[in-house]
Amino acid sequence: GNSVTQMEGPVTLSEEAFLTINCTYTATGYPSLFWYVQYPGEGLQLLLKATKADDKGSNKGFEATYRKETTSFHLEKGSVQVSDSAVYFCALSDKTSYDKVIFGPGTSLSVIP
Amino acid sequence: NAGVTQTPKFQVLKTGQSMTLQCAQDMNHEYMSWYRQDPGMGLRLIHYSVGAGITDQGEVPNGYNVSRSTTEDFPLRLLSAAPSQTSVYFCASSPPGAYGYTFGSGTRLTVV
Repeated sequence: GNSVTQMEGPVTLSEEAFLTINCTYTATGYPSLFWYVQYPGEGLQLLLKATKADDKGSNKGFEATYRKETTSFHLEKGSVQVSDSAVYFCALSDKTSYDKVIFGPGTSLSVIP
Repeated sequence: NAGVTQTPKFQVLKTGQSMTLQCAQDMNHEYMSWYRQDPGMGLRLIHYSVGAGITDQGEVPNGYNVSRSTTEDFPLRLLSAAPSQTSVYFCASSPPGAYGYTFGSGTRLTVV
């Protein structure tokens, strides 16, 4: 079945550092890929998405590129801020399964001043 | 727009009690889902619906029941609460296609 794997956390970075959170997936079809963010005490929010190979999703300085050859969708940001401290979830959906969304386990990010 | 509204925000139940977690959306989304979030396990799909009158099981459906009589509402019923159901529950909705979910703010449930 479909699944998503993310790098283990927690990740701690200093402000203005470069961020990479690795995500790889297993899927039988051609999934759409997502990154969601969850701030403390809140629900998840869609951060960015990509719906086909080589698409790049971007939002709020975050980027991720859909790499079919490596089945990856790594999240990057060039300069993190304290306000980026949150849990980040990689996810996929597959139109052959009514767009059900499967989530990775999440990666906690703490940014220190 | 209110988006996805979940009630209650917090609940404590005794083992064996039943209750219903409410979820309502005002975006006319066809798809709705229930997830539970547990530490280290991400979000796991409990039940989902692709339209009024149509529901199906997700990864962890045991002990939960759902129905979808209207497009707006998708309640989750715990039939006989167990401590293993202590979790944070999220409801989400989306239109068909790869648009991404809109999530509610969650219900934190503790079963003692």
